[in-house]
Amino acid sequence: GAVVSQHPSWVICKSGTSVKIECRSLDFQATTMFWYRQFPKQSLMLMATSNEGSKATYEQGVEKDKFLINHASLTLSTLTVTSAHPEDSSFYICSARPRVGGRPSSYNEQFFGPGTRLTVL
Amino acid sequence: DAKTTQPTSMDCAEGRAANLPCNHSTISGNEYVYWYRQIHSQGPQYIIHGLKNNETNEMASLIITEDRKSSTLILPHATLRDTAVYYCIVRLTSGTYKYIFGTGTRLKVLA
Repeated sequence: GAVVSQHPSWVICKSGTSVKIECRSLDFQATTMFWYRQFPKQSLMLMATSNEGSKATYEQGVEKDKFLINHASLTLSTLTVTSAHPEDSSFYICSARPRVGGRPSSYNEQFFGPGTRLTVL
Repeated sequence: DAKTTQPTSMDCAEGRAANLPCNHSTISGNEYVYWYRQIHSQGPQYIIHGLKNNETNEMASLIITEDRKSSTLILPHATLRDTAVYYCIVRLTSGTYKYIFGTGTRLKVLA
């Protein structure tokens, strides 16, 4: 249990285009999903916290109009990188926190997806 | 959220125990200690977590000092597949439950 998937696993796009990344919890309902960005040889940086049915909360310095987050259901969150530029090239990782009291855990740990590598030319 | 500090890198011989330290001197009473690891180009994998008591599961053991200001993750018999970056994270027991990742420890298991 506790599987989180991301789609696509990698994407290459031209500068100026928008890219949508999906994050799904496959076998549990996720009250909260998180989006991270990771540059080569660096740690994960939290971008935003997404709660089902409400607006995402962005970390300081993250442009909410550039990184659009939608959390329409308890199993799906999407991150759209709008008007992507080469500096947006990165490894984007999502995680999901199970619904409190639900399976597979009641301890509120996050389960991570495999990541999406975005390359903007 | 409390900040964690970890050594940048460590080596461990295959088959030996790997002991990874983490300092979280500003931890408060309502914060858990979590350990994750990230193998190259993958998402982080949950290892173990604890609040006050030492914990053990099939992957590792977590030793938390009595004052809770530091902890050690122990991989009892390291294998080459344990080569990864290990992150120690402190997280509130309520609220947003968000993680703030530190720099982590790059563990290299040597044959």
